[in-house]
Amino acid sequence: EADIYQTPRYLVIGTGKKITLECSQTMGHDKMYWYQQDPGMELHLIHYSYGVNSTEKGDLSSESTVSRIRTEHFPLTLESARPSHTSQYLCASKRGQELNEQFFGPGTRLTVL
Amino acid sequence: DQQVKQNSPSLSVQEGRISILNCDYTNSMFDYFLWYKKYPAEGPTFLISISSIKDKNEDGRFTVFLNKSAKHLSLHIVPSQPGDSAVYFCAASARAGGSYIPTFGRGTSLIVHP
Repeated sequence: EADIYQTPRYLVIGTGKKITLECSQTMGHDKMYWYQQDPGMELHLIHYSYGVNSTEKGDLSSESTVSRIRTEHFPLTLESARPSHTSQYLCASKRGQELNEQFFGPGTRLTVL
Repeated sequence: DQQVKQNSPSLSVQEGRISILNCDYTNSMFDYFLWYKKYPAEGPTFLISISSIKDKNEDGRFTVFLNKSAKHLSLHIVPSQPGDSAVYFCAASARAGGSYIPTFGRGTSLIVHP
């Protein structure tokens, strides 16, 4: 069973608010990822990290930012939420550089009114 | 432009029968492929993978077939069970910058009827 957690699970918030989506994993994985996914669509990579103090932007342009101060923690922040940010946000982690799978958290369903 | 395509948004199968989910890719650099299963309100969970050096990988009721020349892979579930009802995502990756970051398809929603 994967030990990767996301909070909150659901969030409804007004336009212009600052939000932080939390993601933590207890598996000691170096690599962590944030995806955005809408129903019937593919998972779009928005940020990833190869380790502490390493962050990169993904394929999908996003107004969010991330930080990786500790191995186990990879929070995503939106400074000013807009209705276009409404989506499901999935955090994932994976170990090493081997050919292996990602472990996903349960996701945060964000709705911006 | 989608590099990983799952052209069937949904599939309905009778319990006990075979489910075949298909996936096509366009990037010839992809050399590692994965299938994930996703239930509503949960994150995807890994199901099975295959490296490009193989053409088949089997794990219990799940078998993945890879046809590199056709850039096509398929997931077979035999026999299908109602608990298999979920969205199945195909993902493909290539070595880039020392790490494999997968590209996902849009998923196929499988419904297994009792």
